Amino acid sequence: DAGVIQSPRHEVTEMGQEVTLRCKPISGHNSLFWYRQTMMRGLELLIYFNNNVPIDDSGMPEDRFSAKMPNASFSTLKIQPSEPRDSAVYFCASSLGTGVNEQYFGPGTRLTVT
Amino acid sequence: GENVEQHPSTLSVQEGDSAVIKCTYSDSASNYFPWYKQELGKRPQLIIDIRSNVGEKKDQRIAVTLNKTAKHFSLHITETQPEDSAVYFCAASGTGYSTLTFGKGTMLLVSP
Repeated sequence: DAGVIQSPRHEVTEMGQEVTLRCKPISGHNSLFWYRQTMMRGLELLIYFNNNVPIDDSGMPEDRFSAKMPNASFSTLKIQPSEPRDSAVYFCASSLGTGVNEQYFGPGTRLTVT
Repeated sequence: GENVEQHPSTLSVQEGDSAVIKCTYSDSASNYFPWYKQELGKRPQLIIDIRSNVGEKKDQRIAVTLNKTAKHFSLHITETQPEDSAVYFCAASGTGYSTLTFGKGTMLLVSP
C-alpha cells in the first residue's frame, strides 16, 4: 500500500488566495483526520470524518476553513481566503475500524501564506 | 475535552543513557495512549501504544507505563542511540474516544 497520500507537498500563496489541500487515505480505512502543526500550538485536530461523514469539526479555526470527503478515497481541506497565520504543516491521517486505533499520517503539506 | 500535558519539552542525553518522557491527561474515560516519533521534516509515526487495561508494554528498547489512577503515562527508551533523536508526542483518546489529543512534544537529542 502506498500509505496516505497528500498533495501538494508544498504550497506558497499570497494572502487572500484560496488554498485547497488534498488527501487520499489508505484503502479500506474508514476514519480520516486533518491536523495542523505549528511550533506554537503543536499538533491540532481540525476535523474528523468517519465513513465520509464529518463527526467532529470543533477544531476548525473559523469559517474560512472547510473540509469535504465526497467519497471513501478522497478528502479536501480548503482555506478561503488564506491569511499569513494559516502558515503551517497540514497533515492528513487515516485509521481503520471503530473506536480509536492507530492513525497513519500522510507526508504533510507545508503551507506558506505571504 | 481532553487535555494532555507533556514534559520535558527538550531532553538531551548521551548515547547509551536512558530517556524518560512523561505525560498527564485530564479525561478519566480516555482508554488509548499512543506515542509517535517525528523526525525532522517527516510525518509522525507510531512507535508504541497502550490501552487502559494494561499497565506496561515493552517493545525492545522502548516501554510505556500507564497509571490510570494518577492519569499519567510515560515513555522509556533504554540504550539510546543517535537515531533516536527526534520529537516524541504522546496522545490520549479524546472527545468521543475516536480522536486523539496530542501533547506539545519532546525534542530528544542523543549525543554520540
